[in-house]
Amino acid sequence: NAGVTQTPKFHILKIGQSMTLQCTQDMNHNYMYWYRQDPGMGLKLIYYSVGAGITDKGEVPNGYNVSRSTTEDFPLRLELAAPSQTSVYFCASSYSRQGYEQYFGPGTRLTVT
Amino acid sequence: DQQVKQNSPSLSVQEGRISILNCDYTNSMFDYFLWYKKYPAEGPTFLISISSIKDKNEDGRFTVFLNKSAKHLSLHIVPSQPGDSAVYFCAASGGSYDKVIFGPGTSLSVIP
Repeated sequence: NAGVTQTPKFHILKIGQSMTLQCTQDMNHNYMYWYRQDPGMGLKLIYYSVGAGITDKGEVPNGYNVSRSTTEDFPLRLELAAPSQTSVYFCASSYSRQGYEQYFGPGTRLTVT
Repeated sequence: DQQVKQNSPSLSVQEGRISILNCDYTNSMFDYFLWYKKYPAEGPTFLISISSIKDKNEDGRFTVFLNKSAKHLSLHIVPSQPGDSAVYFCAASGGSYDKVIFGPGTSLSVIP
């Protein structure tokens, strides 16, 4: 049982390039989330999904896109990367939203330069 | 507009003593609160939670207290151990929010 896995762990992206951050969970959780964490800040929700085929925006969705074709996978797409997207990205999953605890992946440290 | 605040960015405590981490929230509709712990280069891990119908929840060395009238909660760690050194995030959910709102975190250092 690997929990939530994320790839890559680190990446340097040039301004204007695009990339996809991968996230997979093996706990059969319906709910999945993408967060970003900037230095000294809490986790900001980018997008979330309540099940396969259903996604919705969080607090900071601009510049990102997601898809959820399976229960297990929830990739995050960055289009036309900007320096403001330099951050640590965490994927998480949960049995349910709100009260249920979320299980986080180890994070992807992304630098856009 | 920070709805979940952790006003102490850092805290230093001697091993064996009590660590008290504080969290304030502004939205009275929040009805569930969670604490997460984060080590460097790892994702956050769930630590303990409390529902608004309770004022205390205990799990081993960790106790969370909730004061609804003051919109304040605190996490007590007794006794503190060096392995407790980490960043602790307070989070809240409920009401019209179908998502969890995280505070900025408090970095705890437990000195041997």
